[in-house]
Amino acid sequence: GNSVTQMEGPVTLSEEAFLTINCTYTATGYPSLFWYVQYPGEGLQLLLKATKADDKGSNKGFEATYRKETTSFHLEKGSVQVSDSAVYFCALSDRAGTYKYIFGTGTRLKVLA
Amino acid sequence: DVKVTQSSRYLVKRTGEKVFLECVQDMDHENMFWYRQDPGLGLRLIYFSYDVKMKEKGDIPEGYSVSREKKERFSLILESASTNQTSMYLCASSLVAGVETQYFGPGTRLLVL
Repeated sequence: GNSVTQMEGPVTLSEEAFLTINCTYTATGYPSLFWYVQYPGEGLQLLLKATKADDKGSNKGFEATYRKETTSFHLEKGSVQVSDSAVYFCALSDRAGTYKYIFGTGTRLKVLA
Repeated sequence: DVKVTQSSRYLVKRTGEKVFLECVQDMDHENMFWYRQDPGLGLRLIYFSYDVKMKEKGDIPEGYSVSREKKERFSLILESASTNQTSMYLCASSLVAGVETQYFGPGTRLLVL
């Protein structure tokens, strides 16, 4: 079945450091891929998405590229801020007629000033 | 902006009680979802509804039921709460299942004593 694997946290970085959070997936079809972010005490909100191979999603300085050949959708940011401290979830949705969204286990990011 | 609201942010219940969690969305979305979020397990789908009075089981439906009498409202019911149902419960909605962004409520943190 479909699955998402993302790197375990927590990830602790200093402000202005480069961020990578790895995400790989397995899917039978051609899924859409998402990164969601959950700030403390809040629900999840969409950070970025990509719907086909080689698409790059971007938002708030974060980027991720849909790599079909490596089945990956790694999240990157060139210079993190303290306000980026949150939990990040990679997710996929199977567009082959099912309703399911599959989420990774989440990666906690802590950015120190 | 889409708004998804949940009836309570925090809830404390006793074992054996019947518990109602309510979710309301204001964007006329067809699809609504209930997840539970546990550390190290990510989000797991409990139930999904694709239309009024229509529902489908997710990955972990045991011990839960749902009700969708109106398009904007999706209720999760714990028929007889147990301590292993202590968790964070997240409601979400989307316009088109499996493709579009899901919009999440702030979550209800439920403690069953």
